[in-house]
Amino acid sequence: AQKITQTQPGMFVQEKEAVTLDCTYDTSDPSYGLFWYKQPSSGEMIFLIYQGSYDQQNATEGRYSLNFQKARKSANLVISASQLGDSAMYFCAMREGQYKLSFGAGTTVTVRA
Amino acid sequence: NAGVTQTPKFQVLKTGQSMTLQCAQDMNHEYMSWYRQDPGMGLRLIHYSVGAGITDQGEVPNGYNVSRSTTEDFPLRLLSAAPSQTSVYFCASSYRDLGSGNTIYFGEGSWLTVV
Repeated sequence: AQKITQTQPGMFVQEKEAVTLDCTYDTSDPSYGLFWYKQPSSGEMIFLIYQGSYDQQNATEGRYSLNFQKARKSANLVISASQLGDSAMYFCAMREGQYKLSFGAGTTVTVRA
Repeated sequence: NAGVTQTPKFQVLKTGQSMTLQCAQDMNHEYMSWYRQDPGMGLRLIHYSVGAGITDQGEVPNGYNVSRSTTEDFPLRLLSAAPSQTSVYFCASSYRDLGSGNTIYFGEGSWLTVV
């Protein structure tokens, strides 16, 4: 069964606008963590933001924020003030236990000038 | 500081050939892992290791072998390559484990084509 679901295969956003990338997850473990990664066309995986299941506040890192809704099992990424360099594939991932990471299928974001 | 280094970056294999993807890290990380990335499926865990001499299977281990004789190195072996193993392979490491958002360092990826 799919543990991480990203329902948006591709999105377009205008430069300087905000964009929300959806991520829902499925786990019965009370202790888990959620990551977002960016993968530009060059292929490397770039860490963006992390949210632990026990964290009381939503995580923020610069222009990235994570909208964590535990009861709905969603962890959406919000990118504010989009830049052309934000065009990339974005992956949501969930830590299961201490050693395993499950990834969603990804969302391609294209920022238009 | 080199981080996580993967070699080779590109490789073409014939069906049935064997090869080893190399992964090395210079950060004294205990945790190392291998993922494969296929179009439309995100990254999937192949094998991981929590220290020298300790390895375990991930989600898609069939067709791959690993060993961890040193802290620095975690090679991935394809014993008899199949076209289904055409993929991009990523090695990743972390200080001890993935708990509490410990930073995971990824290599740059290895593009493997099996014909």
